[in-house]
Amino acid sequence: NAGVTQTPKFQVLKTGQSMTLQCAQDMNHNSMYWYRQDPGMGLRLIYYSASEGTTDKGEVPNGYNVSRLNKREFSLRLESAAPSQTSVYFCASSYGTGLYSNQPQHFGDGTRLSIL
Amino acid sequence: SQQGEEDPQALSIQEGENATMNCSYKTSINNLQWYRQNSGRGLVHLILIRSNEREKHSGRLRVTLDTSKKSSSLLITASRAADTASYFCATDDNDYKLSFGAGTTVTVRA
Repeated sequence: NAGVTQTPKFQVLKTGQSMTLQCAQDMNHNSMYWYRQDPGMGLRLIYYSASEGTTDKGEVPNGYNVSRLNKREFSLRLESAAPSQTSVYFCASSYGTGLYSNQPQHFGDGTRLSIL
Repeated sequence: SQQGEEDPQALSIQEGENATMNCSYKTSINNLQWYRQNSGRGLVHLILIRSNEREKHSGRLRVTLDTSKKSSSLLITASRAADTASYFCATDDNDYKLSFGAGTTVTVRA
């Protein structure tokens, strides 16, 4: 009964380093999302994948890339990390194909990323 | 773009009391959702209310929606220590993406 699994849970990077955040869901969901959460700002959508094989930019995509590896997995890559990307990153999934706001999203427990 | 805004930012209540928080939004919506986030964890979906609905219940939770005032409220009755968490409303924008507010932090004192 894992739901949405994110790895790693914590990471510290130096400015300019790259890394990939992994996300996998076992609920046979079609849509997957990456958000960042900063203090006092709520969650902001970085990228989403409305179905296997498609990805689209969200509100704050600059500095990130994503890959929808298969139906289960959706990864987020920081090519050259910057201090402004210090945040908590959440992956989520929902059943429908496409952006249906009439369906709940299921979240992982996040990756806490610090960039020095 | 952040559409929903929760009020108050923080709320402290005694165990057994009711907790009410509000969400206001700027443009018309199709659906509004409420989520809970415990410290160090991901968000958990609580209730979804559609624009043609006025009230929904789930256990000790009651959500109302007033589209004329562009606002929603979440009421937690008979609060427990386990209700200590942050609560977020999420509204959809024109292309159905969810926008989350900054949340209300609820502390339930024993």
